[in-house]
Amino acid sequence: QLQLQESGPGLVKPSDTLSLTCSVSGDSKSRGYYYWGWIRQPPGRGLEWIGSVHYSGSTYYNPSLKSRVTISVDTSNKQFSLKLYSVTAADTAVYYCARLPVGYTNDDAPYYYMDVWGKGTTVTVSS
Amino acid sequence: SYVLTQPPSVSVAPGKTARITCGGNNVRSKSVHWYQQKAGQAPLLVIFSGSDRPSGIPERFSGSYSGNTATLTISRVEAGDEADYYCQVWDSSVDHPGSVVFGGGTQLTVL
Repeated sequence: QLQLQESGPGLVKPSDTLSLTCSVSGDSKSRGYYYWGWIRQPPGRGLEWIGSVHYSGSTYYNPSLKSRVTISVDTSNKQFSLKLYSVTAADTAVYYCARLPVGYTNDDAPYYYMDVWGKGTTVTVSS
Repeated sequence: SYVLTQPPSVSVAPGKTARITCGGNNVRSKSVHWYQQKAGQAPLLVIFSGSDRPSGIPERFSGSYSGNTATLTISRVEAGDEADYYCQVWDSSVDHPGSVVFGGGTQLTVL
């Protein structure tokens, strides 16, 4: 059974870089078929997608965060990572990692959704 | 950017049917997915590709479309269904390669 586990510092200083890792265990045969992504949720607010990465290195990013985000994959260690640069208090949130399967519309356009989620890790940006 | 609109809250009595809507331009063409998030927990996928249920999700949960609105229907509502529910689509166009878009979320209260 696939499991995802986020890890990283719970406290980051303003203007520093937030770095998180998601460790993937179980279901190793099909990892290459999926995208793997990061989603965050500020306190008391809704979900915000940050970006996603494929094992090939292909990425998609939220346009509003793209200039401050890098998501990468480490296939040998079965992990993928998030780096968010120049953080402010507005980046305080619970950060989730997730697996994204692909589906296709009637027009053969791909779409993605999140079918397995990590438990989330709380990151606070404060001096 | 693409916008999904959900009502902030829906209330329903136990045993009744709850309907949570998700509106967006031509949303039927994008394939809508639904997540349940209970307090203090990670989101859980309850409907994908408009109307498909993942393994382990009760048949009481169903998804449908009508015009520019997708609907999550929960039949025979139970106290344990109380949660926030989010709809989600994948939006891509000639202007950008693709983005996950979430609705603002709907808080379901079981009276």
